[in-house]
Amino acid sequence: DTGVSQDPRHKITKRGQNVTFRCDPISEHNRLYWYRQTLGQGPEFLTYFQNEAQLEKSRLLSDRFSAERPKGSFSTLEIQRTEQGDSAMYLCASSPSTVATEAFFGQGTRLTVV
Amino acid sequence: SQKIEQNSEALNIQEGKTATLTCNYTNYSPAYLQWYRQDPGRGPVFLLLIRENEKEKRKERLKVTFDTTLKQSLFHITASQPADSATYLCALDETGGSYIPTFGRGTSLIVHP
Repeated sequence: DTGVSQDPRHKITKRGQNVTFRCDPISEHNRLYWYRQTLGQGPEFLTYFQNEAQLEKSRLLSDRFSAERPKGSFSTLEIQRTEQGDSAMYLCASSPSTVATEAFFGQGTRLTVV
Repeated sequence: SQKIEQNSEALNIQEGKTATLTCNYTNYSPAYLQWYRQDPGRGPVFLLLIRENEKEKRKERLKVTFDTTLKQSLFHITASQPADSATYLCALDETGGSYIPTFGRGTSLIVHP
């Protein structure tokens, strides 16, 4: 197992297009998080899953954003009708437990909306 | 409002010295606090976790302190090396929370040879 994997690493899209990102967590990690990070800022929480259940979403998460984790394995994050303000690094992380443990992050997907 | 504050100015130090980074928080009651390292263009990497009932934790050249009265954590790197140059993020979660790390903006550390 090589850690959390995210695909693609980079995505350039035109404003108004839909994009989908994929995250493959570390095997048997039951928690999966999505964060967004812009330049000079820390990661900002978007949503998280406990197995296949999406348990919490940030109030900042627009209706244009949707995430799934079918069968509690990989996860996808879709952004519909992208806007320039969506340009950011989208980070996925997983952790093995429901109690406080470290989060293992992927390399992120860099989205640029032009 | 809730805030996690890390110095936005980069910390420049000479190789071999001890680097000390600060994380202050307001309107949180953290159950634990974590420190991560982030290199440009890469995801954060976990370094240390300290719980609310712990005062200090060490790992090799790293030391973290946690003062819930001052609402502050200090992160120390002893005998710093140029390879330690990176952005260091603190993250915390509240007592009774969902164990979702909430991050500060991070502080950039630059170690000069």
